[in-house]
This record gives sequence, structure tokens and C-alpha cells, in this order.
Amino acid sequence: DIQMTQSPSSLSASVGDRLTITCRASQSISNFVNWYQQKPGKPPKLLIYAASSLQSGVPSRFSGSGSGTDFTLTISSLQPEDFATYYCQQSYGTSTLTFGGGTKVEIK
Amino acid sequence: QITLKESGPTLVKPTQTLTLSCTFSGFSLSTAGVGVGWIRQPPGKALEWLAHIYWGDDKRYSSSLKSRLTITKDTSKNEVVLTMTNMDPVDTATYYCAHVRYGSGCFDSWGQGTLVSVSS
Repeated sequence: DIQMTQSPSSLSASVGDRLTITCRASQSISNFVNWYQQKPGKPPKLLIYAASSLQSGVPSRFSGSGSGTDFTLTISSLQPEDFATYYCQQSYGTSTLTFGGGTKVEIK
Repeated sequence: QITLKESGPTLVKPTQTLTLSCTFSGFSLSTAGVGVGWIRQPPGKALEWLAHIYWGDDKRYSSSLKSRLTITKDTSKNEVVLTMTNMDPVDTATYYCAHVRYGSGCFDSWGQGTLVSVSS
């Protein structure tokens, strides 16, 4: 199975900061990576699909990049509502799917 | 507008079989390109994909749980059912169903989730 290693597992940041979260796949997966945001007590929300495509309705401060094994989610200017946990997910071949371990973004 | 809702028992005993239902609206599982998946999340832990099923009855399962899982669909009822056998306390989690976008394999709409506890 393809493993997704997400880093860091947690971070503290301030409103207005530029933030980057990384996911590394255990093998090349082209651009089959999706990113989600989850707030406490809520289901995850899709932010980015196919590595860099912004889901409809998601603010443009969110962006994704990468291909092969290394992927990043960037928040250009952190807003108060962005404090949450973020997950990557690989969907290579749509056979078996895997989520990363999550990154918790907290207020500094 | 796509909506999904999970239902099932909130408490099961060890060794019992869990049966969860996902009822949905806003799409049909008889339409090409449509799928429904199940994902769980133990309290305070990460998401774990369990299984998904596509419109043509193509089914995929987590390798680590494959022997315990069965996913089925009832297109006429707009329902997907997940069964998990031999439940254990470590299976205590919130179980989500979600709409799968074929091609990208992303989950673009989610139910609110249902918390299932496993305890004697």
C-alpha cells in the first residue's frame, strides 16, 4: 500500500502568516493527491483535488502543488477560520486510498 | 445539492458485526462516475479510508481490514451499506460516508458522521 507521510504533525502560526504543509508518498503517484481541512466535531472539507485544483467555493489563499512523491498545501495568508487540522489523501489508481497523519494548525 | 447521512448503532459489543447505512440525495449511484466511500476516525486520531463502491458495483477495500468489510449498494433506495465483522474496542470511531469523485478519487461531500463505540 502507498503510505503518505505528512509534516509537520502540528505547528503554531499567526494570522497573516504564510503556511506550507508537506506530504510525501512512498512511491510516485503522479498528481493523485487531495487535501482536506477538518475542524473539531465536523467532517473534513475538500480544499484541493488532483494536487493543484481548487475545489469550488474554497478561498484562493489555499493552493496545492507537487507531482510524483512530494506535495505541498500552502495557505498564503492565514485567517482566523483556517485554524484546523489538514489532511492529505492519495488516490493513485483509485484502488486503495490513504490519508496522511494530519497537521494541526494552532494559534501562536 | 449532495447530502449524505450515516445511521446505525452507537454501541456494539466486542465480536459483534457492525452494520452502517449511508443514505444520500443529490446524485444517483446508477450514474457513471459516481461513488460512495466510508472513512473512519478514532477519537483524536487521523482519518482512515475503509472502502468505496462505484456505480458499476466496482468495490475497493482497505488492505488491512478487507477480511472484515463488506460494502453494498441499493440504487433504488439511494443507500450504501457497510458491514464490519468481529468488532473490537479499537474500532471505536466516528464513521463517515462521502461522495467519491471518480477519476480524482477525492471525497467532495461528506456526511456528518456517526460515533460508534465498541464496549462490553
